[in-house]
Amino acid sequence: GAGVSQTPSNKVTEKGKYVELRCDPISGHTALYWYRQSLGQGPEFLIYFQGTGAADDSGLPNDRFFAVRPEGSVSTLKIQRTERGDSAVYLCASSLNAGLQETQYFGPGTRLLVL
Amino acid sequence: AQSVAQPEDQVNVAEGNPLTVKCTYSVSGNPYLFWYVQYPNRGLQFLLKYITGDNLVKGSYGFEAEFNKSQTSFHLKKPSALVSDSALYFCAVRDNSNSGYALNFGKGTSLLVTP
Repeated sequence: GAGVSQTPSNKVTEKGKYVELRCDPISGHTALYWYRQSLGQGPEFLIYFQGTGAADDSGLPNDRFFAVRPEGSVSTLKIQRTERGDSAVYLCASSLNAGLQETQYFGPGTRLLVL
Repeated sequence: AQSVAQPEDQVNVAEGNPLTVKCTYSVSGNPYLFWYVQYPNRGLQFLLKYITGDNLVKGSYGFEAEFNKSQTSFHLKKPSALVSDSALYFCAVRDNSNSGYALNFGKGTSLLVTP
């Protein structure tokens, strides 16, 4: 079946611009996660949704970052006033349910470059 | 608090030889441990996980991992390496100490299998 999909695959923007990154989870998965992976590092947690609500946004670095999941399926990560330090690969993952035992399945990521 | 250490940045092994990629963890509660593999320009692919029960866990592509509670380790192993196993490997952990469902990843270990 279809896995997690993310669009765009690559995004180049200029410092100060606004960007939106989209994630389409595996059909039927109720939990959705966003991570950020910088070069040479492991993924770092940003935010997690259970259904439509953000259950844990403790990983968002500052208030320029925001994410929504209005219908409990597709999610959009929004970054305002982008900075060069925001350049990274943004990964989305989904799991059937929220739970410690649940496996998270990752999408291919969106590579963001802020010039 | 949760953390994962992957002490080796790179592991080199000849095709046909056994391989080990090391992972140690630190958690407050009971650990839930995962291994993922990342090929160039691809997302993370799930290999295996330890939840409870048998300390030896078998996963995809012939990989296995052994949970060792006394040494707080979860090393990834394969009896006979293939060139196609060359990739970046990530260990991840979460626990049941009310710290949420986010995965905490190590920095990754690059595995190079030479013909």
